[in-house]
Amino acid sequence: GAGVSQSPRYKVAKRGQDVALRCDPISGHVSLFWYQQALGQGPEFLTYFQNEAQLDKSGLPSDRFFAERPEGSVSTLKIQRTQQEDSAVYLCASSPGWTGPYEQYFGPGTRLTVT
Amino acid sequence: AQSVSQHNHHVILSEAASLELGCNYSYGGTVNLFWYVQYPGQHLQLLLKYFSGDPLVKGIKGFEAEFIKSKFSFNLRKPSVQWSDTAEYFCAVKGSQGNLIFGKGTKLSVKP
Repeated sequence: GAGVSQSPRYKVAKRGQDVALRCDPISGHVSLFWYQQALGQGPEFLTYFQNEAQLDKSGLPSDRFFAERPEGSVSTLKIQRTQQEDSAVYLCASSPGWTGPYEQYFGPGTRLTVT
Repeated sequence: AQSVSQHNHHVILSEAASLELGCNYSYGGTVNLFWYVQYPGQHLQLLLKYFSGDPLVKGIKGFEAEFIKSKFSFNLRKPSVQWSDTAEYFCAVKGSQGNLIFGKGTKLSVKP
């Protein structure tokens, strides 16, 4: 079956521009996570949804970052007024549940470069 | 706060050599542990996971990991690596919100 998809795969933005990154999770997966992976680092948690509810946004680095999942399926991560330090790969992952022995399934990521 | 440490940044091995990648986590309670692999140009995929039960966990492609609670460790092993194992390997622990907390990763290069 189809896995997690993300678009665009690559995004170049000029400093100050707004960007929107899309995630299509695996159909039926309740949980959706966003991570940020800087060069040479492991992924770092940004935010988490259970269906349409954003249950944790403690990892969002600033109020320029905003995520939504209005119908409990597709999610969008928006970054306003991008800065050079926002350059990273943004990963989306989905999972069938929150508690229990569930793994997270990752998408290919969106590589954001801010110039 | 929970954290994960991976001791080796880059490991270089010849084919057929044995592999052990170190992983230590900070949380002392019940833990769920994972190893993910990222092959060049591909997305993260699960190698194996530990939730409970037998501390020796077997995963895909001949990999295994041993959960040692007293050492807060979850080291990844493979008896004989292949060139196709060249990838980056990430250890992770499940956080209180269900998110994964990753180590910085270990890049494995296998020489043919």
